[in-house]
Amino acid sequence: AQSVTQLGSHVSVSEGALVLLRCNYSSSVPPYLFWYVQYPNQGLQLLLKYTSAATLVKGINGFEAEFKKSETSFHLTKPSAHMSDAAEYFCAVRPGSGNTGKLIFGQGTTLQVKP
Amino acid sequence: DSGVTQTPKHLITATGQRVTLRCSPRSGDLSVYWYQQSLDQGLQFLIQYYNGEERAKGNILERFSAQQFPDLHSELNLSSLELGDSALYFCASSVAAYTEAFFGQGTRLTVV
Repeated sequence: AQSVTQLGSHVSVSEGALVLLRCNYSSSVPPYLFWYVQYPNQGLQLLLKYTSAATLVKGINGFEAEFKKSETSFHLTKPSAHMSDAAEYFCAVRPGSGNTGKLIFGQGTTLQVKP
Repeated sequence: DSGVTQTPKHLITATGQRVTLRCSPRSGDLSVYWYQQSLDQGLQFLIQYYNGEERAKGNILERFSAQQFPDLHSELNLSSLELGDSALYFCASSVAAYTEAFFGQGTRLTVV
């Protein structure tokens, strides 16, 4: 069964510092991978997605993620954190087989940005 | 604003009751998904409909049911509610059955 594991339920960085949120996936077929962000009291917003076109994926708000098959990872990064980046971040995988877009989510990582 | 509308935003009800959550997908989207977000289970896929028909099913309880109507809006019915059903319920929609989904702001259900 496909799954994702997010390492670290809470990450704290200083404003201007590098953001690194870790995600490892388990999949027997080429996966489709996503990062979503959830701001307080809001729904999930798609940050970026990997669909095998390129291993380095750029998303919104300056975020990017690199797909590394050898490490089964899809870590999310941003060079310089802003206070507005404070939110919960979810990594998700869509099963590569089957004609469905259902997503399997990781447990989420809460990003705290300190001034 | 994702274009996905969920009503109501908040719902408080008693154990044993039945509630209906409503979702209007983005204009042109044929697929609707329901997810449950709780502190202990995280974000869990419940069910997907595509153009009125069930497409995929997750760990949805038998007390829960859903449908998608001809106008493509969807309803999630939760019955015999228990305290553990308290959660945030999200609806998402997508153009096709397997393209990226856009999420609504959720309905927060509190069972007392």
